[in-house]
Amino acid sequence: GGIITQTPKFLIGQEGQKLTLKCQQNFNHDTMYWYRQDSGKGLRLIYYSITENDLQKGDLSEGYDASREKKSSFSLTVTSAQKNEMAVFLCASSRENQDTQYFGPGTRLLVL
Amino acid sequence: QEKVQQSPESLIVPEGAMVSLNCSFSDSASQSIWWYQQHPGKGPKALISIFSNGNKKEGRLTVYLNRASLHVSLHIKDSQPSDSAVYLCAVSSTGGNNKLTFGQGTVLSVIP
Repeated sequence: GGIITQTPKFLIGQEGQKLTLKCQQNFNHDTMYWYRQDSGKGLRLIYYSITENDLQKGDLSEGYDASREKKSSFSLTVTSAQKNEMAVFLCASSRENQDTQYFGPGTRLLVL
Repeated sequence: QEKVQQSPESLIVPEGAMVSLNCSFSDSASQSIWWYQQHPGKGPKALISIFSNGNKKEGRLTVYLNRASLHVSLHIKDSQPSDSAVYLCAVSSTGGNNKLTFGQGTVLSVIP
């Protein structure tokens, strides 16, 4: 078994601020993902990484940067926080193509 | 771009009832279709997936896939209050990168 840890659980920032969310997994999975979940909606892919130092844009990458410096960790940066992007950000990992994705508990972003 | 639509938006059933959830997708060449369960404040958890036309049964869960009609359904037998959650349908894309496109979810409430 394994676990995905996301920090912080809640992130409060000011409009225009740069904010960083972190994700760690101990599954030894190659692929990691960042999704955004708006209230009452499905998940939308922001970035994913198929291996260390690889980055691939998802459908919602504008306004975000990502970093995969180690196999076990994947960070997401909101480059300039906006009130309309208050949401839950979910990190996931999977072993290989077409395999089950395992999710962390999420980071809830509040923008004041 | 793949589109995934779920129905109904919400469902309330008595304990012990059979639950049926529906999902339509737009790309007949899609790879696997996944169902995820998400409890409040938690990340989604994979329940069951299907690739081939037909049905697949795991415990109280049965999933039916019809690629010709671009439709998949999830049936939960003998529903329990602990089944109360949001159910997300997700379709994996062609191209071998395991990108998932999610529907907006169905909120299920099972009343004791």
